[in-house]
Amino acid sequence: DTGVSQDPRHKITKRGQNVTFRCDPISEHNRLYWYRQTLGQGPEFLTYFQNEAQLEKSRLLSDRFSAERPKGSFSTLEIQRTEQGDSAMYLCASSLGWQGDNEQFFGPGTRLTVL
Amino acid sequence: SQQGEEDPQALSIQEGENATMNCSYKTSINNLQWYRQNSGRGLVHLILIRSNEREKHSGRLRVTLDTSKKSSSLLITASRAADTASYFCATESRAAGNKLTFGGGTRVLVKP
Repeated sequence: DTGVSQDPRHKITKRGQNVTFRCDPISEHNRLYWYRQTLGQGPEFLTYFQNEAQLEKSRLLSDRFSAERPKGSFSTLEIQRTEQGDSAMYLCASSLGWQGDNEQFFGPGTRLTVL
Repeated sequence: SQQGEEDPQALSIQEGENATMNCSYKTSINNLQWYRQNSGRGLVHLILIRSNEREKHSGRLRVTLDTSKKSSSLLITASRAADTASYFCATESRAAGNKLTFGGGTRVLVKP
């Protein structure tokens, strides 16, 4: 296992379309996080899972956004009725998430462009 | 909202020089982490310093943490052109759950 992977790496869509991104974490990691990063800014937290349970969601995550991690392994992030303001890099990270420090390992990201 | 604020926002140095960047944060933390991001790519974890630690080294990296001032610094010694990247500090705190709260980053350019 070489790390966190994300698919697709790039997505261009028209406003109003739905998009879905996938994240495969490091296999033994229990926690999985989604972040969003716009140009010139640091990543902002969206949501995270402990195994299959979604434990926290940011206020940034409007009702058009939904995330799942059905079997506690890979996760999907869906954006419905995309808007131009959704254009950003969507980053996924995973961590062991048991005791001690929570070092997070990031994937390469999915860059979304909404036209 | 972003807890950490990096200073400076941008830094340009010659290869071989040292690069220092600072991070300030607002609430008490469990740990502070530094990440590097090359243009358009994912984040690479550099170093984690716990709230009860004051200094940590990893290769050419030196990180300090002053919890009384709620600040941290990252020093890159003997910089190389390959160090050109954006550097972000991120804090983890019990009050904020298990997520990382990032600053806006310092963009470092190392000129050969």
